[in-house]
Amino acid sequence: TQLLEQSPQFLSIQEGENLTVYCNSSSVFSSLQWYRQEPGEGPVLLVTVVTGGEVKKLKRLTFQFGDARKDSSLHITAAQPGDTGLYLCAGVRGAQKLVFGQGTRLTINP
Amino acid sequence: EAEVAQSPRYKITEKSQAVAFWCDPISGHATLYWYRQILGQGPELLVQFQDESVVDDSQLPKDRFSAERLKGVDSTLKIQPAELGDSAMYLCASSLGLHQETQYFGPGTRLLVL
Repeated sequence: TQLLEQSPQFLSIQEGENLTVYCNSSSVFSSLQWYRQEPGEGPVLLVTVVTGGEVKKLKRLTFQFGDARKDSSLHITAAQPGDTGLYLCAGVRGAQKLVFGQGTRLTINP
Repeated sequence: EAEVAQSPRYKITEKSQAVAFWCDPISGHATLYWYRQILGQGPELLVQFQDESVVDDSQLPKDRFSAERLKGVDSTLKIQPAELGDSAMYLCASSLGLHQETQYFGPGTRLLVL
């Protein structure tokens, strides 16, 4: 049973377009993290959102935590080829236990 | 910048053989995690250490997997005997302490069992 569902699982768009990736759960998390993973490498933390309704911006990336702390979204504006990668959301539970979604594989075509 | 080190980066083995992976966390990080990431999925926690003690190994298949962190620094994950379904990326991560949110991941060991 996947506690965190990410959608879409695959996304291929042209450079310059905007996109949104979703992370949904029926469970409440104390916080939620977004990671990007390059092929053959470990995930790298992009952001942690803690408060329901929180919005964080990281250059062209905007992260939002749902009011009920069960869901989150990642919006990328004017996508670039360097944004290509696997985007993972992870809910934080208990003593820093991370529960990962299955990931969204994003490809930005030049 | 300090990084989590893992070795080997790649391992090919035959089923029923034993394999071992090594992880050296960031210096001073008390908490160490081993994850398994099957292709196309997100990482799943196998075992979590706080210093040399196991905090959570509820998802570790203990009939064939074992993990140790004898001196509370580096750690070894072993599989014996390996099965075809064990083919995956094995990721190690570390954090400052049990209640420190940021986990830093190593590059992983990609295992292929033939």
